[in-house]
Amino acid sequence: GEQVEQRPPHLSVREGDSAVITCTYTDPNSYYFFWYKQEPGASLQLLMKVFSSTEINEGQGFTVLLNKKDKRLSLNLTAAHPGDSAAYFCAVNRNNNNAPRFGAGTKLSVKP
Amino acid sequence: EAAVTQSPRNKVAVTGGKVTLSCNQTNNHNNMYWYRQDTGHGLRLIHYSYGAGSTEKGDIPDGYKASRPSQENFSLILELATPSQTSVYFCASGAAGGGAETLYFGSGTRLTVL
Repeated sequence: GEQVEQRPPHLSVREGDSAVITCTYTDPNSYYFFWYKQEPGASLQLLMKVFSSTEINEGQGFTVLLNKKDKRLSLNLTAAHPGDSAAYFCAVNRNNNNAPRFGAGTKLSVKP
Repeated sequence: EAAVTQSPRNKVAVTGGKVTLSCNQTNNHNNMYWYRQDTGHGLRLIHYSYGAGSTEKGDIPDGYKASRPSQENFSLILELATPSQTSVYFCASGAAGGGAETLYFGSGTRLTVL
């Protein structure tokens, strides 16, 4: 089955710094890709999604890059602020009515 | 906004006991999921369902059963709870969309098995 590896598990940056979280996956039939955010003590909420190869999707200060050739998905934050402190999870799904598989998560800490 | 409600929020159970975790969604989504969240493992898929009466095994179904008696309700059942099942459990729902669906999560149930 699908294996989703997410790195790094922990990331600490200063306010204004950039941050990058990367996921790699194994299933070549993966077609839909998501990033979810989990604030401390809360549940997961969708942050962004991207479907097309090498698509760039921007929003909320984040950029998502997808490279299907390398089976790699990244979440890039160009100027972190303390409100971005949370756990981030990538999720991958096939193009049928399957169930999404998640990475292990990255706990991002942004210090003032 | 999708509404997914889990109960109980917290549960302490004894080893060998039966535990039922409940999930209710009010958005008429066809798909529902149970994941558990553990440090270092992220969210792992236990069971999921495509609609009332259907359940499918996820990646770690051993020791768990699922029940989907209606569109709105999806339960996770631990017949003989073990300490290794101590975890935070999340239920989620999604509109069937061939894989493109956004998942809406409940607030989670923290289960401790002593």
